[in-house]
Amino acid sequence: DVKVTQSSRYLVKRTGEKVFLECVQDMDHENMFWYRQDPGLGLRLIYFSYDVKMKEKGDIPEGYSVSREKKERFSLILESASTNQTSMYLCASSPVLATGTSVYEQYFGPGTRLTVT
Amino acid sequence: QQQVKQSPQSLIVQKGGISIINCAYENTAFDYFPWYQQFPGKGPALLIAIRPDVSEKKEGRFTISFNKSAKQFSLHIMDSQPGDSATYFCAASGGGGSNYKLTFGKGTLLTVNP
Repeated sequence: DVKVTQSSRYLVKRTGEKVFLECVQDMDHENMFWYRQDPGLGLRLIYFSYDVKMKEKGDIPEGYSVSREKKERFSLILESASTNQTSMYLCASSPVLATGTSVYEQYFGPGTRLTVT
Repeated sequence: QQQVKQSPQSLIVQKGGISIINCAYENTAFDYFPWYQQFPGKGPALLIAIRPDVSEKKEGRFTISFNKSAKQFSLHIMDSQPGDSATYFCAASGGGGSNYKLTFGKGTLLTVNP
């Protein structure tokens, strides 16, 4: 089974703190994604990475950065946390076929519920 | 710009009934349309998916109906069960390049009453 793990299920931080959310996948997937999930807004893509040290902005990258130093690990960084970043954060991964074609199916972790006070 | 519109936002169905959730998309380059199911405290998981070369796909009690000309697709859950109570997200992807990323609808909270 594909397993995507996230470092914390619940996290409480103060405004202005630097926050690191960690995600690890054990299936050697090339693509990794960070989403935030808010009631009534669905899942919105923050950043994604298609290779080590490669990243692309998603739909809502403002206030976030990412790091991918190893294939299995993708970190989301909140440089200076704000209350409007209180949300559920979901990490996902997907593989690339031997043909070089990305598989659309994404495998999600359980999420980290971040509260910024 | 919301590229995938999902309705209804919430749905209550009696056990044994049919649950229907609808989605509409705008980008004609999309070529993959999955539905994800999310239980409380869990991440979303792929339920069923369809490509635009077919109009319907069925897996057990779950069916996707796809209307390419109308740019709409829907999820039908037959004989709905309390265990189907979850949040359902439609999504779309495609167009080549880095467009393997998914664009999600806003979700539908389904409650199936016993």
